[in-house]
Amino acid sequence: DVKVTQSSRYLVKRTGEKVFLECVQDMDHENMFWYRQDPGLGLRLIYFSYDVKMKEKGDIPEGYSVSREKKERFSLILESASTNQTSMYLCASSVQTGFAYEQYFGPGTRLTVT
Amino acid sequence: QQQVKQSPQSLIVQKGGISIINCAYENTAFDYFPWYQQFPGKGPALLIAIRPDVSEKKEGRFTISFNKSAKQFSLHIMDSQPGDSATYFCAASRGRGFGNEKLTFGTGTRLTIIP
Repeated sequence: DVKVTQSSRYLVKRTGEKVFLECVQDMDHENMFWYRQDPGLGLRLIYFSYDVKMKEKGDIPEGYSVSREKKERFSLILESASTNQTSMYLCASSVQTGFAYEQYFGPGTRLTVT
Repeated sequence: QQQVKQSPQSLIVQKGGISIINCAYENTAFDYFPWYQQFPGKGPALLIAIRPDVSEKKEGRFTISFNKSAKQFSLHIMDSQPGDSATYFCAASRGRGFGNEKLTFGTGTRLTIIP
């Protein structure tokens, strides 16, 4: 079974703090993703990585950065947390199947910025 | 620009009834249409997926209906059970190949099955 783990289930940080969210996958997948999930807005892609040290901006990259130094680990960084970054953050990895890429999600990190 | 529109936002269905969730897309290059199911406290998990070369795909009580000309697809849950209560997301992508790794998600439907 594919396993995607996220370092924290719940996190509370103060405005202006630097925040690190860690994600690890154990299936040697090339692709990894960071999404944020907000009610009524669905899943919005923040950043995507298709290889070690390679990254691509998603739909809402402002205020975020990422790091992928090893294939299994993809980190999301909030350089200076703000209250509008309070959200559920989901990490995913994907593998190419017969005709598409199938994404596997972690359990999510609920971040509250006060 | 929202490329996949999902409705309704929430849905309440009686146990044993049929739950229907609809999605519409704009990008004709989309070639793969999965549905994800998310229970509270969990990440989304792939439920069922379809390609546009077929009009329907069925797996147990779950069926995707696909209308290529209308650029619409829907999820039908037959004999809905309380255990089906979850949030459902439709999604779309351009299929295989480098550059097609990303999914575009709908906004989600919160389904509640009542006894």
